[in-house]
Amino acid sequence: SSELTQPPSMSLSPGQTARITCSGDALPNHFTHWYQQKSRQAPVLVIFKDSERPSGIPDRFSGSSSGTTVTLTITAVQAEDEADYYCQSTDSSGKWMFGGGTTLTVL
Amino acid sequence: QVQLVESGGGLVKPGGSLRLSCAASGFTLNDYYMGWVRQAPGKGLEWVSYISTGSTYINYADSVKGRFTIYRDSAKNSLFLQMDSLRVDDTATYYCARGVPGCSSTSCYFALWGQGTLITVAS
Repeated sequence: SSELTQPPSMSLSPGQTARITCSGDALPNHFTHWYQQKSRQAPVLVIFKDSERPSGIPDRFSGSSSGTTVTLTITAVQAEDEADYYCQSTDSSGKWMFGGGTTLTVL
Repeated sequence: QVQLVESGGGLVKPGGSLRLSCAASGFTLNDYYMGWVRQAPGKGLEWVSYISTGSTYINYADSVKGRFTIYRDSAKNSLFLQMDSLRVDDTATYYCARGVPGCSSTSCYFALWGQGTLITVAS
């Protein structure tokens, strides 16, 4: 498959842990990266190469990979983490692609 | 200041053409993989195209292949997207984005984004 599948939405209370998954057949062969987008602003990179965190991103953001699924984990979510999250990777034909996005609501 | 600034958006009729520009400042655009990403109103991100350093590798999403052309102008330190045969479903905010050092055609990600420019295709 040349698609990346994410859950459309997730609602959590402050302090809970968010685990946002991204699934795709090509994921074992390519790195996955994660972006946060708030209120239709430009996206911000939060995780790259499955599990690395850019400077300036809080350490409550982490990433992991297992087979055809990669996971963005936000430990102890805060109100400011409310946003859309997108995974990005490469398909088997070399085309880049984004997942459909997950809207995280912090209640 | 390191930044990307897109321009060229607007209203165009179906079948028409438009050229988007992305001006880079604070760095040499030719040293990086560059890409275009779009976002239709209320929808998610969609990768559109990328161009490698030296313009050696270029690729397009199937949805735009044959209609859009990505290219660079080193003298202007700018990236462009020529969009022809525009369709209503091309309506979106188009973002220009810079790949990180070490990008390859099989693995790249964007650490710098422009603010986006809106294209509306309607009759």
